[in-house]
Amino acid sequence: DTEVTQTPKHLVMGMTNKKSLKCEQHMGHRAMYWYKQKAKKPPELMFVYSYEKLSINESVPSRFSPECPNSSLLNLHLHALQPEDSALYLCASSQVAAGNTEQFFGPGTRLTVL
Amino acid sequence: GENVEQHPSTLSVQEGDSAVIKCTYSDSASNYFPWYKQELGKRPQLIIDIRSNVGEKKDQRIAVTLNKTAKHFSLHITETQPEDSAVYFCAANKRSSYKLIFGSGTRLLVRP
Repeated sequence: DTEVTQTPKHLVMGMTNKKSLKCEQHMGHRAMYWYKQKAKKPPELMFVYSYEKLSINESVPSRFSPECPNSSLLNLHLHALQPEDSALYLCASSQVAAGNTEQFFGPGTRLTVL
Repeated sequence: GENVEQHPSTLSVQEGDSAVIKCTYSDSASNYFPWYKQELGKRPQLIIDIRSNVGEKKDQRIAVTLNKTAKHFSLHITETQPEDSAVYFCAANKRSSYKLIFGSGTRLLVRP
């Protein structure tokens, strides 16, 4: 399996809802990432997990809460989001969290916050 | 801070022509330069990458060149086809950092 998978593909939620995004990889990668991508912009790094430990939080608001239950899974818990949080949320993985390793992206979850 | 500038923002070429996209990076410690292609509604996919110990790399119709002195790197696509139409992002990274620094993207349109 050489892919990163994400569920759901689309998500519409209200500002008071709680939802979760899921990401999975079975390539044996030990680094996993969450990115946010707005239309016509590059992906913007949110979080990095290395060996299941949070290594980077790019000053992301606490309404986004990441979780890495094991080396294959990555979740992003969402609570009390704002309409401006609507975006494509991409998960990625790499063999290790080092600067010169290829990152493989999942297909993303298109999130709409009403 | 670290920055990657990418030009042009849009590029329209006739099928069969060549396309060149250029990026400039600011951090001289950068040593890894991937290029991603993102079709509409799809995930970014790595199409080619280059490390700082080489100056050029080719893969069929795609090539990347790196000039470390000038801190420039470029993507060259020859014999363009309509399926090459997409947004292309360059990026830079360094060994000690987890963070890819992306360029702003180039929307390439290949006219049949």
